[in-house]
Amino acid sequence: GAGVSQSPRYKVAKRGQDVALRCDPISGHVSLFWYQQALGQGPEFLTYFQNEAQLDKSGLPSDRFFAERPEGSVSTLKIQRTQQEDSAVYLCASSARDRGIVGNGYTFGSGTRLTVV
Amino acid sequence: LAKTTQPISMDSYEGQEVNITCSHNNIATNDYITWYQQFPSQGPRFIIQGYKTKVTNEVASLFIPADRKSSTLSLPRVSLSDTAVYYCLVGDIGGFKTIFGAGTRLFVKA
Repeated sequence: GAGVSQSPRYKVAKRGQDVALRCDPISGHVSLFWYQQALGQGPEFLTYFQNEAQLDKSGLPSDRFFAERPEGSVSTLKIQRTQQEDSAVYLCASSARDRGIVGNGYTFGSGTRLTVV
Repeated sequence: LAKTTQPISMDSYEGQEVNITCSHNNIATNDYITWYQQFPSQGPRFIIQGYKTKVTNEVASLFIPADRKSSTLSLPRVSLSDTAVYYCLVGDIGGFKTIFGAGTRLFVKA
């Protein structure tokens, strides 16, 4: 497709449930980022992939969060045993560049809004 | 990564020029200044990027003084559709992370 696609757009999970959020980046894009955006706040960095390699996962808030990109294209962000504080919009971004999100050439998806009840 | 400070919100009217200033006192030599725009229920969208002096594109201008400790995003003749959150970011384009602050919520009124 022409843009970054994220699914589902909305997800309601019961506390303790596991969820999986999918990101389809623009075809051929090397870099892929995941961000978490709480209501009224700016996006916060979670993790970065260069192709299939996860080069930085320092932003993942706990070991309940896990991301993968096994074939260097589609990525999945998994959250185990969801908690209410995990409620947020999860954004994915991709780029043909092999580093550096501070700039042009990065396309964000519309995000997945996760609500934990 | 340098911290940025911007106003929480701003109001304007259609047809006016809007200037949003961002402070980044600890900007490093290799850092660039980038502005993003975000509409509700959408991801951020790149607006403009610069290193020093002035940069202009089809949607905005970016003014950066010589000391680079601040920058001003200028939106000419705003319309209702410019109502959005605007983020100022500072960082090395060779790095991996991007740090977003809380942004400036711009409300454009008719």
